[in-house]
Amino acid sequence: QKEVEQNSGPLSVPEGAIASLNCTYSDRGSQSFFWYRQYSGKSPELIMSIYSNGDKEDGRFTAQLNKASQYVSLLIRDSQPSDSATYLCAVMVNNNDMRFGAGTRLTVKP
Amino acid sequence: KAGVTQTPRYLIKTRGQQVTLSCSPISGHRSVSWYQQTPGQGLQFLFEYFSETQRNKGNFPGRFSGRQFSNSRSEMNVSTLELGDSALYLCASSPPLPNYGYTFGSGTRLTVV
Repeated sequence: QKEVEQNSGPLSVPEGAIASLNCTYSDRGSQSFFWYRQYSGKSPELIMSIYSNGDKEDGRFTAQLNKASQYVSLLIRDSQPSDSATYLCAVMVNNNDMRFGAGTRLTVKP
Repeated sequence: KAGVTQTPRYLIKTRGQQVTLSCSPISGHRSVSWYQQTPGQGLQFLFEYFSETQRNKGNFPGRFSGRQFSNSRSEMNVSTLELGDSALYLCASSPPLPNYGYTFGSGTRLTVV
């Protein structure tokens, strides 16, 4: 079982819709969770972090964490074509070891 | 504030050669992690350094090695290059509290021919 699993997609949504990205992880002791966005040909950039069960909102982005289910998600509201990218889920498996999922490619169609 | 700097940006090497990649972290960041990214495997963890010590290592062969200097700059070395080593190599630095997440450099694109 992979440490961090994501649906590879591609996920396609129309402009203005909600994009939902999902991630599961295997290490029950993980405490820190992150979402990175990676545009084609660029390096990953951090967009959200979450540490406690529940929701965390930042602008159009909402991260959701359920430690009992070992599940993390990212919702993007009012999706824009500029949101088209690969989204990487990352889990800190100990204080200095971050593991990434394979990424979900999102396309937002105008 | 300068970001994470990786050099060179692009490299073309021949099978059997060795290569050294460099990473300068954000000022004040003492942890440096290295990842290999390929289309098929995604981001694979290579190793992490803190205060010149390797704290974690991923599942890569011994041909992949690294080190960190007293100024936190890090290098990784790949010896006896294989075609399968062609990838984007990313370096990331993190502050003393790594739970704030990593900041990535622009990467080094290595092509082995």
